[in-house]
Amino acid sequence: GQNIDQPTEMTATEGAIVQINCTYQTSGFNGLFWYQQHAGEAPTFLSYNVLDGLEEKGRFSSFLSRSKGYSYLLLKELQMKDSASYLCAVTDSNYQLIWGAGTKLIIKP
Amino acid sequence: ETGVTQTPRHLVMGMTNKKSLKCEQHLGHNAMYWYKQSAKKPLELMFVYNFKEQTENNSVPSRFSPECPNSSHLFLHLHTLQPEDSALYLCASSPGLAGEGYEQYFGPGTRLTVT
Repeated sequence: GQNIDQPTEMTATEGAIVQINCTYQTSGFNGLFWYQQHAGEAPTFLSYNVLDGLEEKGRFSSFLSRSKGYSYLLLKELQMKDSASYLCAVTDSNYQLIWGAGTKLIIKP
Repeated sequence: ETGVTQTPRHLVMGMTNKKSLKCEQHLGHNAMYWYKQSAKKPLELMFVYNFKEQTENNSVPSRFSPECPNSSHLFLHLHTLQPEDSALYLCASSPGLAGEGYEQYFGPGTRLTVT
């Protein structure tokens, strides 16, 4: 079957760095998305990786290793507003989008 | 109004009622989606429309009926729902299909409670 695994919850301190991991087992691979969802709000797009390596966008970076079925989202200089759920989604060989359950990130002062 | 809008934002309905959820996108996108989001579960893709044509129906019960009259509007018609259908229903749109790498823009969702 197809599966996306993410930690359920993580806690980090304001100003620090946190890495949120996502591992996947899917029938083929055509890309991986990260979305951010604040409580009570809609998900918003953060990043898209289709090739191996690191993509950097300001304080956020996303890494992909296709051979390991693994990605991570790296958040630097954490701010209180980064408290949210982070959703990983993978596109399989049929171009179907499969979602993880999300990681709830709690930032403490 | 910009982006993706959904109405109503909250809906309480009995199991014998019929209601409809509405989604409108003002982004000129070609693809639109309905998702169900339940607590601590992955987003469940329900329906996909591309250029007004339904391209996916992920084994959704027939008590949920989608309608896409044009590329900007999407409806979800509800009838004889069950309490387990209570959830947040999200609409999204994208320039092309998300499965081909296009980012999706989500509406704020309709919080549905079935009593």
